[in-house]
Amino acid sequence: ETGVTQSPTHLIKTRGQQVTLRCSSQSGHNTVSWYQQALGQGPQFIFQYYREEENGRGNFPPRFSGLQFPNYSSELNVNALELDDSALYLCASSLDPAYNEQFFGPGTRLTVL
Amino acid sequence: AQSVSQHNHHVILSEAASLELGCNYSYGGTVNLFWYVQYPGQHLQLLLKYFSGDPLVKGIKGFEAEFIKSKFSFNLRKPSVQWSDTAEYFCAVNAFNNDMRFGAGTRLTVKP
Repeated sequence: ETGVTQSPTHLIKTRGQQVTLRCSSQSGHNTVSWYQQALGQGPQFIFQYYREEENGRGNFPPRFSGLQFPNYSSELNVNALELDDSALYLCASSLDPAYNEQFFGPGTRLTVL
Repeated sequence: AQSVSQHNHHVILSEAASLELGCNYSYGGTVNLFWYVQYPGQHLQLLLKYFSGDPLVKGIKGFEAEFIKSKFSFNLRKPSVQWSDTAEYFCAVNAFNNDMRFGAGTRLTVKP
């Protein structure tokens, strides 16, 4: 059973605002990855954090940023929200940056109006 | 650019039928390959993975996948599906820079 939790479950924001999404990793996992999943599509890789450092980034602009804390929990911050940012945001933790035993959380549904 | 293609958007099978879901990727170097499954109302979970070694990989719940390097493919198979296999299946590839690319997914419906 996955131990990755995310908060909040749902969020509604307006264009131009900023949002912070939170993720708590599976116990023993030192790597966190964030994904954006639009309706009807597969998850798109945003970035990965390993031991509190960004360790890989997908094709997302700098207004998508993140943090990983010493307890390996993580945040995803999105500035200057756009309508196209509406999506399900998934957090996943893994044993290592090679995605061994990657466990996903339930996601945060973000709606931008 | 690295990409992942899943050929079937929606597959409908009867119980006990055999399953094969296609997955092709575009990257020519060393890759790590994964299949994930999302059952209705549940989180994405790992079905199986290939990092190296035997190209025929066995996963949970009777699933297996074969890595064919010359075809850039990693197809998922199951000899006999059950109603409980109804889910969405995602192929994913990790090639470099820790960038994990997912396919668009295949929805599998198994009729009892």
